[in-house]
Amino acid sequence: DAKTTQPPSMDCAEGRAANLPCNHSTISGNEYVYWYRQIHSQGPQYIIHGLKNNETNEMASLIITEDRKSSTLILPHATLRDTAVYYCIVRANRDDKIIFGKGTRLHILP
Amino acid sequence: NAGVTQTPKFQVLKTGQSMTLQCAQDMNHEYMSWYRQDPGMGLRLIHYSVGAGITDQGEVPNGYNVSRSTTEDFPLRLLSAAPSQTSVYFCASSYRVRQPQHFGDGTRLSIL
Repeated sequence: DAKTTQPPSMDCAEGRAANLPCNHSTISGNEYVYWYRQIHSQGPQYIIHGLKNNETNEMASLIITEDRKSSTLILPHATLRDTAVYYCIVRANRDDKIIFGKGTRLHILP
Repeated sequence: NAGVTQTPKFQVLKTGQSMTLQCAQDMNHEYMSWYRQDPGMGLRLIHYSVGAGITDQGEVPNGYNVSRSTTEDFPLRLLSAAPSQTSVYFCASSYRVRQPQHFGDGTRLSIL
């Protein structure tokens, strides 16, 4: 079973920051948080991952709470092309199985 | 680089037929995996491999076989197709199991 809980859907206005939450209250000390997204029917695309420090790359920022029980993916200036299903995954580096949950369907509103 | 290549892109089978979905990657990735995605659902792990000669079961392995004779290829075999196997199948790979995965474009399979 997936170790994360995400809202099934969210809306965000174009040009605003999209903040996607993920709950992972049972996360262990050696487990990383990964985010992927799937645009329409394409294969999922890796976005970002982190352990306990906040991370930023050209696509997004990842904010992990101090107790590591939840995290937020931030798309700073959402565009219509960011409409997708976003998956939050928790896994340890030694894990062979990479299990996806149901994700959050993000709608960007013009 | 071609990345992760899946063939065919579309396939229609009759119940009871067998077939092999091909997956190849040219990035020298050790870790490869197969997922299925039913309409409106997330991805479910079928089988995975941490290297040539090594495979293991995921969440939904029944009705599927895999082999990993080379680093590059990870074919998925449907032994006797059933309508419940109608789905979109995605193959993914990563350099090591701990690295982010690269996904193929998927194979859309319909079983009549």
